Amino acid sequence: DVKVTQSSRYLVKRTGEKVFLECVQDMDHENMFWYRQDPGLGLRLIYFSYDVKMKEKGDIPEGYSVSREKKERFSLILESASTNQTSMYLCASTREGGITLNEKLFFGSGTQLSVL
Amino acid sequence: KNQVEQSPQSLIILEGKNCTLQCNYTVSPFSNLRWYKQDTGRGPVSLTIMTFSENTKSNGRYTATLDADTKQSSLHITASQLSDSASYICVVSNPVESNYQLIWGAGTKLIIKP
Repeated sequence: DVKVTQSSRYLVKRTGEKVFLECVQDMDHENMFWYRQDPGLGLRLIYFSYDVKMKEKGDIPEGYSVSREKKERFSLILESASTNQTSMYLCASTREGGITLNEKLFFGSGTQLSVL
Repeated sequence: KNQVEQSPQSLIILEGKNCTLQCNYTVSPFSNLRWYKQDTGRGPVSLTIMTFSENTKSNGRYTATLDADTKQSSLHITASQLSDSASYICVVSNPVESNYQLIWGAGTKLIIKP
């Protein structure tokens, strides 16, 4: 089974802090994604990456950046955390071919981030 | 505007009963429709993926149907178990936006009572 591992289940940070969320997948997937999930809303795509060092903005990239230096690892960075970034952050990966080719998305367990 | 709407928002049923969750979408064109199950505090797990040419797909006690003409899908759960308590999310892919664009519904929260 594919394993997508997120480094922290719960994280509490202060406003203005720099926050790193790490995600590692073990199935050699080309595509990796960062989503945030808020109550009553569907998942919203922050950034995705289709190859090492390649990234594209999703629907809500403002206030976030990403890094993909190795194929298995995709990091989400909050340069200066704000209270409106309190959310559940989900990392996902999938094989090459994109979403349109019916490839399953595999998710990590999520990181619940609270910014105080 | 591309949207995915799910109903009901929440549902409580007794263990052993069947239930059906609804998904209506306005995404056009679309290449596939997915159902995910998300346990509380966990990431979503894929249940089914259907292309526009498929109208039914099963995964154990879960059966998804798709009517591409009316832009509706449903997820039927048979003989519910306590472990079925979760949120069920309908997702539609929209290849016009990008190869990675998925439109997510807000989910239906299902609670199974013993």
